[in-house]
Amino acid sequence: DSGVTQTPKHLITATGQRVTLRCSPRSGDLSVYWYQQSLDQGLQFLIQYYNGEERAKGNILERFSAQQFPDLHSELNLSSLELGDSALYFCASSVEARVTGELFFGEGSRLTVL
Amino acid sequence: QQQVKQSPQSLIVQKGGISIINCAYENTAFDYFPWYQQFPGKGPALLIAIRPDVSEKKEGRFTISFNKSAKQFSLHIMDSQPGDSATYFCAAGTHNNAGNMLTFGGGTRLMVKP
Repeated sequence: DSGVTQTPKHLITATGQRVTLRCSPRSGDLSVYWYQQSLDQGLQFLIQYYNGEERAKGNILERFSAQQFPDLHSELNLSSLELGDSALYFCASSVEARVTGELFFGEGSRLTVL
Repeated sequence: QQQVKQSPQSLIVQKGGISIINCAYENTAFDYFPWYQQFPGKGPALLIAIRPDVSEKKEGRFTISFNKSAKQFSLHIMDSQPGDSATYFCAAGTHNNAGNMLTFGGGTRLMVKP
């Protein structure tokens, strides 16, 4: 158990809809990362927050947004969903803002868009 | 743009054999190279990592070899066991910029046959 909690584990929705994925980092970790894992793209970095502030942005679509709350949990909002957004979304956390390689991943939220 | 290329995509090895996974990177700013192991239904977990100031790092049956001039690094799993069957991801990151992200390779699905 990595200590990172993600909800929901599975989510099925329709095109055009909006969903919110939630992540609780390990106790004491200030940094939260979101990754998208699809069959043909591997693990794609979306965005990082550190202590409530956005720190780094990857290939995150404009339809997607995220935030980190004062209690350090984070939410990833996906809107105007398309079939291609179907993927496994991972949250990871670490103590520091800088990349150390020691990311602790949750078990992911599997999103299916029909 | 895929900055870290991983091969092979899949690998079948007999129990007791050596599993070899290779990665190549393009960005010379990368200075941290971890490997992650992912079992089905789980998030990736850090397996072993190396900095470019060393050419090899060994932890138990797992060894990372690093070739800075060729911008390549590889994972060797000695005496491969069925329990090693998982997906392996190489990654690259930099310590220089606060909040920088890890870039992952496409993953290698390893199957170790009994």
